[in-house]
Amino acid sequence: GGIITQTPKFLIGQEGQKLTLKCQQNFNHDTMYWYRQDSGKGLRLIYYSITENDLQKGDLSEGYDASREKKSSFSLTVTSAQKNEMAVFLCASSMPGQGDERLFFGHGTKLSVL
Amino acid sequence: GDQVEQSPSALSLHEGTGSALRCNFTTTMRAVQWFRKNSRGSLINLFYLASGTKENGRLKSAFDSKERYSTLHIRDAQLEDSGTYFCAASSGSWQLIFGSGTQLTVMP
Repeated sequence: GGIITQTPKFLIGQEGQKLTLKCQQNFNHDTMYWYRQDSGKGLRLIYYSITENDLQKGDLSEGYDASREKKSSFSLTVTSAQKNEMAVFLCASSMPGQGDERLFFGHGTKLSVL
Repeated sequence: GDQVEQSPSALSLHEGTGSALRCNFTTTMRAVQWFRKNSRGSLINLFYLASGTKENGRLKSAFDSKERYSTLHIRDAQLEDSGTYFCAASSGSWQLIFGSGTQLTVMP
């Protein structure tokens, strides 16, 4: 088995601040994802990456940057935090096209903006 | 528009009973996955299906790509089954589209 580690677990920021969320996986998966979950809604894709140094925009990429520094890590940056924003950011990984295409998630980073 | 419609949005069951959750797709999907959000907020992968049915304990899932739906059946519900369940489907290799979730409450 493997594990996906997200840091930090809780993030409190100020309006306008640039905030970075980090994700590490040891599944040796090629593809990694960042999703945003708002209360009462499904998950929405922000960015994904199919291999090291690759970046693909999801439906919610505006206001975010991402970086796939190496195969095992994928970071997400909120470029300018919005006042009163509250959401959970979930990192995930999978190995599409390899038979077992299950998506595995980290525990999430809960963001609050003051 | 939304490509995955999940129902019901909320469901209450008494212990020992069962029910089904359903996801309808507005387009042909290649595969579906079902997840449960546990008490720690983690999304646990329950099933991955490219076709047919799979069973794991008291849970059973089915996926019909042609008819554009998937179901998750829960039988003999237990208190620890409470949580939010999500389906997610993919039409291509990379992107999963999530349903809006079903909040399941199992009562004594």
